[in-house]
Amino acid sequence: EADIYQTPRYLVIGTGKKITLECSQTMGHDKMYWYQQDPGMELHLIHYSYGVNSTEKGDLSSESTVSRIRTEHFPLTLESARPSHTSQYLCASSGSGGVLTDTQYFGPGTRLTVL
Amino acid sequence: QKEVEQDPGPLSVPEGAIVSLNCTYSNSAFQYFMWYRQYSRKGPELLMYTYSSGNKEDGRFTAQVDKSSKYISLFIRDSQPSDSATYLCAMTGNTGGFKTIFGAGTRLFVKA
Repeated sequence: EADIYQTPRYLVIGTGKKITLECSQTMGHDKMYWYQQDPGMELHLIHYSYGVNSTEKGDLSSESTVSRIRTEHFPLTLESARPSHTSQYLCASSGSGGVLTDTQYFGPGTRLTVL
Repeated sequence: QKEVEQDPGPLSVPEGAIVSLNCTYSNSAFQYFMWYRQYSRKGPELLMYTYSSGNKEDGRFTAQVDKSSKYISLFIRDSQPSDSATYLCAMTGNTGGFKTIFGAGTRLFVKA
């Protein structure tokens, strides 16, 4: 069973607030990912990391930023939240079983609502 | 055109039915295929994975890959109400960088 955690699970905030979504994993995985998921839509990769001090933007343009100071921790920050940021945010991690078998394990998600 | 196409459903079946879920894809470089199950308000969990073409069975679940048709399937036998969830296909391969592409998911309801 995957051990990957996200907090908070639900968040309702006002426009303009700065927020940080937390993600941590206890599997020692090198790779970590942030996805955005809207109802009926495919997962969109917004950030990923191949290891400590390595972060890249994904395919979906995002106003968020990430950091990877420790292997187990991959927080996502929105400096100024807007209603367009309302979505489900999923964190995932994967190990090093070879790139073709690099299965991703997901956290439970953070459902963000910006009023 | 999306790289991976998946009918969003919803698909509603009676308990005990055989369920067929499908995805098509356009990139022949995909070689590793996965199915995730996502319950409401939860993150996706890996259900099955297959490499290249062929079938793989795990209990009531069978994953099938037809690379010549760029078509993958997940069959659920003797479906149960607890199988009600959204099923996402995913795939990866040497596409100029290994990146996993997910389908939008098919929502399945199994009625008791």
